[in-house]
Parts: sequence; structure tokens; C-alpha cells
Amino acid sequence: KQEVTQIPAALSVPEGENLVLNCSFTDSAIYNLQWFRQDPGKGLTSLLLIQSSQREQTSGRLNASLDKSSGRSTLYIAASQPGDSATYLCAVRPQGGSEKLVFGKGTKLTVNP
Amino acid sequence: GAVVSQHPSRVICKSGTSVKIECRSLDFQATTMFWYRQFPKQSLMLMATSNEGSKATYEQGVEKDKFLINHASLTLSTLTVTSAHPEDSSFYICSAPRPSGGGGRTQYFGPGTRLTVL
Repeated sequence: KQEVTQIPAALSVPEGENLVLNCSFTDSAIYNLQWFRQDPGKGLTSLLLIQSSQREQTSGRLNASLDKSSGRSTLYIAASQPGDSATYLCAVRPQGGSEKLVFGKGTKLTVNP
Repeated sequence: GAVVSQHPSRVICKSGTSVKIECRSLDFQATTMFWYRQFPKQSLMLMATSNEGSKATYEQGVEKDKFLINHASLTLSTLTVTSAHPEDSSFYICSAPRPSGGGGRTQYFGPGTRLTVL
């Protein structure tokens, strides 16, 4: 059974700092991995999607990497801003026909001005 | 703009009543939609896969008679929590895969529905 773990559970940093969020998964047989942002009481916003054949994806100040063989992904946020404060969720789509996702519990990020 | 919508965004009901939550794909057709539930400080847990034109597929441990799913059209799936009880209070989120570049599909999530059962 696929399990996704995110470390740390919470992170507080000063504005402007670069930071890394970690995600690990137990079964390397994945189709893709996706990072989401969730604001309190809101739905999910997709940030980056990495196919299993890819090593990284970049969007603006965000960079996500994937090491499928070791079951790890990182989300790098450069020059953090208070508006980046949210919970960041990592999810994997297992190989197979279904598109259902397996989520981690998330990392709650607070960027202090 | 929003790609997937949910209605209502928040609902409070008395124990024993039934609540219907709608999930709509706004500018694309979705033959498959997914319903997740999220408890405080917990990850999203898949409840069921909604299939247009056929029965929903439920995850292990999810009562299909309690959580009724109807995929009425290519843009609408509904989740009905029947005879709701306080332990059903949770945040319910739907998602739908939408074609993206390169032949792949990206999951888009609705804004969620906060259900509180008194």
C-alpha cells in the first residue's frame, strides 16, 4: 500500500528565505507526483506536476524534484514571501489505470514578514 | 479562473438529515471525478471514484449506502451524505482530471465543502 510522508509537518521562516519541503513515498511504482497548495478552509491549487520519467519541474520561484528510485521529492521555494503561507501537499498517482491520488498530510508553511 | 466548482461551500445540518454536495467541471467534460474527505490536520483520503454512466467505485471502508454518488452528466457529480451524524463532519473535496499539454491529464480540485453535523 502506497504511503506518502511529508516532513516537516510545520515550518516557520522569515521573509526572503529559501526553503525546501520534503516528500517521501513507499512504492516507487508511480505514474506522476504532484505538489498542491491549500489555503485554510479552501480547496487545492496545483503547483507542479512531475511525470515519473522527469527529474524536475519549475514554475516561477518553485522548483520540484523527483527521485523515483529513492521515493523522494522536494519542493524548493526561493525568496519566500508572506503570501506563500499555506499548507503544501504532496500527492502521488500510483501506476495503473486509476487516476486517484495518495496524499501526504502536508507541511504548514508560515512566512513571517 | 475556477475549473471545478462545488456547491454548497458550507453546510450545517441536524443529525439524521441528508446532505447533497455538487461537483461541476466548468469548461471540460469529466467522465471520472473523485471524492475526497479531509479531517483536521489529516491528509485527503479518497472516498470513491465517480464514473459517468456507471456505478461509483468505493474505497475500502467507505459505506456506499451512506455516501451515495451519482454522476448525472459529463460535468456533474453529486455526493449525498445520508442520515448524517456528527462523525461525518468533515471537509469534502472533489476533483476531476482535465487534459493538459503533452497528452497527460492534471487533477483539478474543487474549493471544498465544509459539512458540520450537529
